[in-house]
Amino acid sequence: NAGVMQNPRHLVRRRGQEARLRCSPMKGHSHVYWYRQLPEEGLKFMVYLQKENIIDESGMPKERFSAEFPKEGPSILRIQQVVRGDSAAYFCASSTTGGDQPQHFGDGTRLSIL
Amino acid sequence: GESVGLHLPTLSVQEGDNSIINCAYSNSASDYFIWYKQESGKGPQFIIDIRSNMDKRQGQRVTVLLNKTVKHLSLQIAATQPGDSAVYFCAEILNQAGTALIFGKGTTLSVSS
Repeated sequence: NAGVMQNPRHLVRRRGQEARLRCSPMKGHSHVYWYRQLPEEGLKFMVYLQKENIIDESGMPKERFSAEFPKEGPSILRIQQVVRGDSAAYFCASSTTGGDQPQHFGDGTRLSIL
Repeated sequence: GESVGLHLPTLSVQEGDNSIINCAYSNSASDYFIWYKQESGKGPQFIIDIRSNMDKRQGQRVTVLLNKTVKHLSLQIAATQPGDSAVYFCAEILNQAGTALIFGKGTTLSVSS
């Protein structure tokens, strides 16, 4: 499968725990985006990264959320001290370049907070 | 403000009919648009894109029309099939700024046999 790979597909955490969501972009893609989707809604942009750099994090909450895309390995979206409102589907997308190029999505991680 | 919306939240058609899904966008600076299809439990799947220097673009069974005058985008699906049943989103990218996709809320297409 040469598509965007996200894991885990489902993640359950208790309030106060940490959640780590992983994303491996499509082969040849060096641009990664994270989006959040609440039930019955469209996706909302969170952060855009290239290898080792955060390019745009304007959609990311200022506290508890962080993202990285290291030189080696997948991109990680990290949520510390999770709260019930963090329950959502988190999608990763990748593209060959930024700007007006199609972003191709993974099948998401469904995060549930108990 | 920046928003992408859809005219109808649901659309029901018979198999074999043509479907038209509409989208209105508010930011005249947007210059790149994408239609995505999302099936239950899956991520958005790229269908077709169009840039603002075009009015129309065709793919396999799909056509996207862009009317910049009224800031309207539509997706036409020919000979709709049950497998086309899904939620369809339009998304835009602002020029120059351009990285984040701005999504509308989606239209749920139901195709009956």
